[in-house]
Amino acid sequence: SQQGEEDPQALSIQEGENATMNCSYKTSINNLQWYRQNSGRGLVHLILIRSNEREKHSGRLRVTLDTSKKSSSLLITASRAADTASYFCATDADGSARQLTFGSGTQLTVLP
Amino acid sequence: DVKVTQSSRYLVKRTGEKVFLECVQDMDHENMFWYRQDPGLGLRLIYFSYDVKMKEKGDIPEGYSVSREKKERFSLILESASTNQTSMYLCASSRRTGKETQYFGPGTRLLVL
Repeated sequence: SQQGEEDPQALSIQEGENATMNCSYKTSINNLQWYRQNSGRGLVHLILIRSNEREKHSGRLRVTLDTSKKSSSLLITASRAADTASYFCATDADGSARQLTFGSGTQLTVLP
Repeated sequence: DVKVTQSSRYLVKRTGEKVFLECVQDMDHENMFWYRQDPGLGLRLIYFSYDVKMKEKGDIPEGYSVSREKKERFSLILESASTNQTSMYLCASSRRTGKETQYFGPGTRLLVL
């Protein structure tokens, strides 16, 4: 089942602009993670935010979490062509011992 | 540097063939996972293993089996490949809780003719 759903499905921006992607989920979570996937490759972990955190930064990445709305956003500032990739959120639903559930992803294209 | 490797990047098989996909991790992780990824469907969990010789079904185990004889190696087996198993297969590993960061291999793109 799809716990996390990203929005939009696809996003195209110019280099230097900010990119915002959203993730909604359905059940209570302990943490939420964002991953990146370059075309034809495996996923790479970007950032993890715990349910008791509201915001987290890592370089040009900013993640927010609103547990009351069951949603998270990933902001990439000053985007570069190299940021072109698919971005996935992953959640660990309460009661799930070991699993993460991934959304279907947002395809980000950064035009030079 | 952490590393998860998969035996093949690309694989072409015929319907009915038995297919083995191998995954090896060098991080001494307890948990290992097999996903398949299809356009518009995201990642779907096929099987996972939380210890040697232990396995649990994920969301879509039908048509697949797995083997974990050693901690570092997790194999996905397609007993009789079918065209609807054409997909990208991703292996991942994580530490004991499984809810922490998962480390992914580069993926195997399987085409079943």
